[in-house]
Amino acid sequence: AAGVIQSPRHLIKEKRETATLKCYPIPRHDTVYWYQQGPGQDPQFLISFYEKMQSDKGSIPDRFSAQQFSDYHSELNMSSLELGDSALYFCASSPKFRQSAFGSGTRLTVV
Amino acid sequence: ELKVEQNPLFLSMQEGKNYTIYCNYSTTSDRLYWYRQDPGKSLESLFVLLSNGAVKQEGRLMASLDTKARLSTLHITAAVHDLSATYFCAVDMQRSNFGNEKLTFGTGTRLTIIP
Repeated sequence: AAGVIQSPRHLIKEKRETATLKCYPIPRHDTVYWYQQGPGQDPQFLISFYEKMQSDKGSIPDRFSAQQFSDYHSELNMSSLELGDSALYFCASSPKFRQSAFGSGTRLTVV
Repeated sequence: ELKVEQNPLFLSMQEGKNYTIYCNYSTTSDRLYWYRQDPGKSLESLFVLLSNGAVKQEGRLMASLDTKARLSTLHITAAVHDLSATYFCAVDMQRSNFGNEKLTFGTGTRLTIIP
């Protein structure tokens, strides 16, 4: 069965640079979620989209933005990167009212 | 603000032993999940608990939910080395008209099974 696909798997950026993470949801899933998991931490909800509209917002810094496109894939844009942004970033997708499935994550390292 | 607490944070146990991980949450919710995470890997869904008194079992793992006590447990029976991982509970507080989730995760329990 198709899973949630994230790219890239690993990303190394310098401080103050910009990063873009991509998420391709499971086909026919109309909702996408982004989570951030710092080292040794639990995942924190960042933002979600339903049918290309932002549906909820969590602890997402103002330096980050995200959108969902017409083909339902989503991108998380992160600017002015800080060392503290180093984390695993998970995307998840779901159909309406169903449990989400998580992607394999993108490991971002800011140096 | 919803708070989800797990205990213990770290658990080291011998193969063949039984143990329980506890998950407490601070406000009413009707949907609780348990996930497994191996180091650097994704979150694997183990159980979804939807109602008070719900009990689900898969192999050596059994999860239960008491919504009145705002408590869920994950019980490990006769542990084997392959169960070594971090286990998270997560509470879904958001069931808006959009039908989307908003998961708040517990602190996680790092389980190490010693042969």
